[in-house]
Amino acid sequence: GENVEQHPSTLSVQEGDSAVIKCTYSDSASNYFPWYKQELGKGPQLIIDIRSNVGEKKDQRIAVTLNKTAKHFSLHITETQPEDSAVYFCAASIRGGGADGLTFGKGTHLIIQP
Amino acid sequence: DSGVTQTPKHLITATGQRVTLRCSPRSGDLSVYWYQQSLDQGLQFLIQYYNGEERAKGNILERFSAQQFPDLHSELNLSSLELGDSALYFCASSPQGARRTDTQYFGPGTRLTVL
Repeated sequence: GENVEQHPSTLSVQEGDSAVIKCTYSDSASNYFPWYKQELGKGPQLIIDIRSNVGEKKDQRIAVTLNKTAKHFSLHITETQPEDSAVYFCAASIRGGGADGLTFGKGTHLIIQP
Repeated sequence: DSGVTQTPKHLITATGQRVTLRCSPRSGDLSVYWYQQSLDQGLQFLIQYYNGEERAKGNILERFSAQQFPDLHSELNLSSLELGDSALYFCASSPQGARRTDTQYFGPGTRLTVL
């Protein structure tokens, strides 16, 4: 089955700086790659997603890039703010967004230092 | 607020017991997914239902079962509970469950503690 590796497990950045989280996946058939943000005591919340026919997607301060050849995708957060502090999960799906379960990475605890 | 509701929020029980977790999907969503989140295993997909029928299966133990009712709410049944079943259990829903464009929206979770 699919395996998703996520790095780093903890990332501490100064407020206003950029943060980058990287994930690799094992199954070349995967075609949907969402990113979720989880705050303490809450369920994961989708922040951005990308499909295999697109190399990059941006939404305000958040961007995701996908390299299908290398089987890796990354989350970029610019101008970080205190409210960005949370655990971030990458995920992959073979059949696409709603058609199958998601395989998640182990998560990155992002800490924004004031 | 994602629109997905789960009850109860917390559940404490003993080993060997059986519990039922309940999920109501977002209005209009036909698919429901169950995930387990634990410190050692992370977030793991258990099972998916689409309009009452089982659609996909992940790492769900034989002691666990689920169903989706005609009103589209879903229940996850966990039996012969073990200490290792202590975890957060999340339900997610998506509109169609068969289309590649669907997003999965997660509920707030049920925290299960097995003593």
